[in-house]
Amino acid sequence: DGGITQSPKYLFRKEGQNVTLSCEQNLNHDAMYWYRQDPGQGLRLIYYSQIVNDFQKGDIAEGYSVSREKKESFPLTVTSAQKNPTAFYLCASYSFGGAGTEAFFGQGTRLTVV
Amino acid sequence: ILNVEQSPQSLHVQEGDSTNFTCSFPSSNFYALHWYRWETAKSPEALFVMTLNGDEKKKGRISATLNTKEGYSYLYIKGSQPEDSATYLCARFSNDYKLSFGAGTTVTVRA
Repeated sequence: DGGITQSPKYLFRKEGQNVTLSCEQNLNHDAMYWYRQDPGQGLRLIYYSQIVNDFQKGDIAEGYSVSREKKESFPLTVTSAQKNPTAFYLCASYSFGGAGTEAFFGQGTRLTVV
Repeated sequence: ILNVEQSPQSLHVQEGDSTNFTCSFPSSNFYALHWYRWETAKSPEALFVMTLNGDEKKKGRISATLNTKEGYSYLYIKGSQPEDSATYLCARFSNDYKLSFGAGTTVTVRA
């Protein structure tokens, strides 16, 4: 089945360690996005990429890094520079195939840093 | 308006009542306005994607309107049912491919 897969669902890390969250899609979508959600808040954009080998900072990119070496993959690294990394992370993909197209989302990864 | 804003943050509705809520967004660099429904433990699912000023879309008891000139959209739920309980997100897709979300409106329908 076509879809977008995030792994793992739950992730625990010690403070000071970098951690990489996986996001893979087989929808042949051009763009991919990473969002962060904190309790009681909405989705805040971390990074996005509209094409392979190119990406842009979102609204809260500090302490994060991404790569887009393949169309289907957009991993997010939470670095030790991120001051408050514990959150729910959601990945999305989007096709530019027409004005009426919508984004599709993964199941999310809940990261806890202790 | 600099960001996508939604109001109210939450609302409680009696079963059978109708309700509506607002999404405000920057009108510059606008390409499309999306509405998503997000239920607990699930991924957000698209309700509507609208692009043209004056667009109106309907899916069952849920409908939406769009005003791109003044930068707002309304979502309406007619005859609310318990299964309508969810968080409703709006998102603005801009010409630079940025997809920005509001904080959402959480709807709780009481039986």
